[in-house]
Amino acid sequence: AQKITQTQPGMFVQEKEAVTLDCTYDTSDPSYGLFWYKQPSSGEMIFLIYQGSYDQQNATEGRYSLNFQKARKSANLVISASQLGDSAMYFCAMRGISNFGNEKLTFGTGTRLTIIP
Amino acid sequence: EAQVTQNPRYLITVTGKKLTVTCSQNMNHEYMSWYRQDPGLGLRQIYYSMNVEVTDKGDVPEGYKVSRKEKRNFPLILESPSPNQTSLYFCASSFATASNQPQHFGDGTRLSIL
Repeated sequence: AQKITQTQPGMFVQEKEAVTLDCTYDTSDPSYGLFWYKQPSSGEMIFLIYQGSYDQQNATEGRYSLNFQKARKSANLVISASQLGDSAMYFCAMRGISNFGNEKLTFGTGTRLTIIP
Repeated sequence: EAQVTQNPRYLITVTGKKLTVTCSQNMNHEYMSWYRQDPGLGLRQIYYSMNVEVTDKGDVPEGYKVSRKEKRNFPLILESPSPNQTSLYFCASSFATASNQPQHFGDGTRLSIL
């Protein structure tokens, strides 16, 4: 069974500072993908960044980067130069494939990030 | 524009009154899935579909039904809704076996069952 753990229910960060959101995972699948989604107060789920289990380099997308440490089973999201619009709930998720090909996402419980002006 | 469309966005209804939440995607995705989101629990999968006429249970399927008669549509059916199905529901889609591609989510449907 797959499991995602996000240990920070909430975080407050000063605007323009960098912030790291923690995510650890557990899986027995040799191949898997790790995703981060952002959920603003309006409720939609916005894809931010992806890291494959065999990727050699950490993923980056603009101000977002993923600190992937496979041996530690962690996939932390780093947001550089935070902005007020970054205030949202952030979910870490893992995609594995069961025996029946279900490519479901297993989600963590989320971290609510608040950026302070 | 590539998108997943859910309807309705909000619904308040009463226990036992059958309802359907529609989901449609225009990206020709094979894989579609329904999730529910509850505070402190993240998102949990209800049902999924690998392609037309191929559906299966996720982690929390009790009280729900689905169908996949067309590739683009994947409705979620609550035959006899109960208050514990009050939740925020998301439909998602992606290409099958494209593990490096994100699942695209609809904007969510907030259901309140009184």
